Amino acid sequence: ETGVTQSPTHLIKTRGQQVTLRCSSQSGHNTVSWYQQALGQGPQFIFQYYREEENGRGNFPPRFSGLQFPNYSSELNVNALELDDSALYLCASSSGTSVYNEQFFGPGTRLTVL
Amino acid sequence: RKEVEQDPGPFNVPEGATVAFNCTYSNSASQSFFWYRQDCRKEPKLLMSVYSSGNEDGRFTAQLNRASQYISLLIRDSKLSDSATYLCVVNVLYGGATNKLIFGTGTLLAVQP
Repeated sequence: ETGVTQSPTHLIKTRGQQVTLRCSSQSGHNTVSWYQQALGQGPQFIFQYYREEENGRGNFPPRFSGLQFPNYSSELNVNALELDDSALYLCASSSGTSVYNEQFFGPGTRLTVL
Repeated sequence: RKEVEQDPGPFNVPEGATVAFNCTYSNSASQSFFWYRQDCRKEPKLLMSVYSSGNEDGRFTAQLNRASQYISLLIRDSKLSDSATYLCVVNVLYGGATNKLIFGTGTLLAVQP
């Protein structure tokens, strides 16, 4: 196991609702990245947090937002849910932002939007 | 064009077979390269990093050709337990400070008894 945990495991929401997903990073890791994996696709980068600041963002609209806390755990918030937001949401923690820092993935949160 | 392209498969092979996966990437700023393995409905797990000199880990051999922007993975003596989706991944440094993993869509391998 990687030591990265995510909650909840599964979630069902309806269109227009808001959702918060949580990630606890591995001990000693200060960087958390979030990815969205739609069915049959590879994960896509949403954004990265480093020492409580957003450190880069993928091609996702502003209704996807996040936070990182002083203990380096993180939240992903999605407002105004759409059907296409149904996916596996993965967080990954690493010990820094270098391309050579391995990213360790949590088990994911499976979000279904009806 | 996708930044990382790989054959989605599925690759159906008998136990003991040798199977090769190929992948191409388009971003010349890609700095590090990996193969991840993902079991059904689970998170991706790092299988191995990929270097220009090539690297081997037991039955698995990975190779990187930077000039052709091509990455490969060879699995020898396939086991039933190798059945999974194999994701080709590159790490790109954006803006000097953000490293993001860019994943291919994955290649599904099914090893048959």
